[in-house]
Amino acid sequence: QKEVEQNSGPLSVPEGAIASLNCTYSDRGSQSFFWYRQYSGKSPELIMFIYSNGDKEDGRFTAQLNKASQYVSLLIRDSQPSDSATYLCAVNPSGGYNKLIFGAGTRLAVHP
Amino acid sequence: EAGVAQSPRYKIIEKRQSVAFWCNPISGHATLYWYQQILGQGPKLLIQFQNNGVVDDSQLPKDRFSAERLKGVDSTLKIQPAKLEDSAVYLCASSLYLDRANQDNEQFFGPGTRLTVL
Repeated sequence: QKEVEQNSGPLSVPEGAIASLNCTYSDRGSQSFFWYRQYSGKSPELIMFIYSNGDKEDGRFTAQLNKASQYVSLLIRDSQPSDSATYLCAVNPSGGYNKLIFGAGTRLAVHP
Repeated sequence: EAGVAQSPRYKIIEKRQSVAFWCNPISGHATLYWYQQILGQGPKLLIQFQNNGVVDDSQLPKDRFSAERLKGVDSTLKIQPAKLEDSAVYLCASSLYLDRANQDNEQFFGPGTRLTVL
């Protein structure tokens, strides 16, 4: 069973701080990795994609991938109350075309 | 560009009744997905279509769930008979291609249908 694990949270950070969200996956052959944001009662929306080891930055967001440790993380710099949402880690498993396996998500709360 | 459309947005039924959900993907998207998202969990893929053919239905409970995409555009997901544990949000998503999992082949999600089974 291919799995994606996330800490359910909630992760509470003050406004302006760095939020760090973590994800581990079991399928060593996984090729690409996604972070989705889901506001309460809304559908998921893609915020970051990464497939190479190392860091990838996009604005206030940085995704980090370590395939040897089977670990993906998302850093949100200068966190804002509008970042309060559930962050879903999704993995494209080996042999799965454009199939995604999602973790349960980490709920982030940014307080003023 | 219009997004993924789904209807109805909400549905309440009694257990053992049947229900159907409809999805219209983004124009030109060949691949369509149905996900089930139970409260507090991430979306779980139920079925994946490429045009009107099924690519992956390994997690679809085939004794009660069925789905079709007859003309390679719209899709319908049906549950018959429904159980209490089917209460969830059913999300439809679409992407341009089947064979690339990258930022250029993003899966776009519809607003979902919230199903409550009493």
